[in-house]
Amino acid sequence: QQQVKQSPQSLIVQKGGIPIINCAYENTAFDYFPWYQQFPGKGPALLIAIRPDVSEKKEGRFTISFNKSAKQFSLHIMDSQPGDSATYFCAASKDSGYSTLTFGKGTMLLVSP
Amino acid sequence: DTGVSQDPRHKITKRGQNVTFRCDPISEHNRLYWYRQTLGQGPEFLTYFQNEAQLEKSRLLSDRFSAERPKGSFSTLEIQRTEQGDSAMYLCASSNTGGGHNEQFFGPGTRLTVL
Repeated sequence: QQQVKQSPQSLIVQKGGIPIINCAYENTAFDYFPWYQQFPGKGPALLIAIRPDVSEKKEGRFTISFNKSAKQFSLHIMDSQPGDSATYFCAASKDSGYSTLTFGKGTMLLVSP
Repeated sequence: DTGVSQDPRHKITKRGQNVTFRCDPISEHNRLYWYRQTLGQGPEFLTYFQNEAQLEKSRLLSDRFSAERPKGSFSTLEIQRTEQGDSAMYLCASSNTGGGHNEQFFGPGTRLTVL
């Protein structure tokens, strides 16, 4: 059973566009939702994370939108750049992030120049 | 470099051989996690330690897998009698549960190929 469903599997946008990656979860005990960025040959790196007491969080060009009733959250990348080309993973955890992470399958983003 | 380090970065082995991977966490991080990542998938949790105690193991961790963190610092993950299905990237992460958050920092991974 896949507890965190991520879409799309891949995404191509032009430089300056706003890619949106969506995730949905099933376990209502999840209360910490991070997004990770992974470049080829590297481990995932934390981008931004949100807790369900807020509906939106911004850090630089990255924004998470969270809909608790729908059990969905999404990542928006403003003014995307070719350097943002990477694989993005959403994840979820219980116990305010002190439990283990359950990852989505990832979205491969390509930002064309 | 003070990040999480893993050794080796790549390992090619023949089916049936044993392999051992090492992870050095960020200094003074009390938690250490092992994940497995196959092509086109997100990382899947295997096990984690708080200091030297192994607190949780996933059902993915068959009896051919064993992990240790003997002094609460570095950790090793051993796979006995490797199978082709063990081919994957093995990721280590560490975190510090003090300070009100538990951000996990990942290492670069060890890519295992079982022939």
